[in-house]
Amino acid sequence: EIVLTQSPGTLSLSPGERATLSCRASVTISGTFLSWYQQKPGQAPRVLIYGASRRATGIPDRFSGSGSGTDFTLTISRLEPEDSAVYYCHQYGGTPRLTFGGGTKVEIK
Amino acid sequence: QVQLQESGPGLVKPSETLSLTCSVSGGSISSYQWSWIRQSPARGLEWIGYVYYSGTNNYNPTLMSRVSISVDTSKNQISLKMNSVTAADTAVYYCVGGGVSTRALDYWGQGTLVTVSS
Repeated sequence: EIVLTQSPGTLSLSPGERATLSCRASVTISGTFLSWYQQKPGQAPRVLIYGASRRATGIPDRFSGSGSGTDFTLTISRLEPEDSAVYYCHQYGGTPRLTFGGGTKVEIK
Repeated sequence: QVQLQESGPGLVKPSETLSLTCSVSGGSISSYQWSWIRQSPARGLEWIGYVYYSGTNNYNPTLMSRVSISVDTSKNQISLKMNSVTAADTAVYYCVGGGVSTRALDYWGQGTLVTVSS
């Protein structure tokens, strides 16, 4: 099983600051199938980034993704209050075919 | 815009079968990979399995002995059946449409809470 480990568990930052979220895979994975999601309380997750670095439709350009191999990063360049959420990474491939990280909670001070 | 709506009982008794249906609107059922994903505080986000419009499946090995996912193209619906449920199967269940080439999970239903309890 491909295990995705996200860090930190919680990030507490002020509006306008930069958030850097990490997702580490237990084995080398294809960035083609690495994506990031945002989930707010009471809502379903929504896709932010796919293919490790491609923004989904309608996602603000303050969200960016990078990485390859086993290390991937989601960066929120200038935090806004509405960015308060839990962020998950997800990969497709291996067995089971889809796995998720445990999430990083971003709190806005 | 693709919209997904899950439906089914919110309460299932232990050892019985959980049955959920996902109705797809606003898009072609043949254009996506259809997954069921569940979320609970204990397990986080857990992929259950997916189906293509052709009927081809892939399941999470930890659940595959108890799960069946099917597609009804005439009704634009995807179904989930999970037998022999226990309290550990209590979760919010999501129907999700994924890109066939990107493998991103593009469209999510609102989710439906299923509680397993007598």
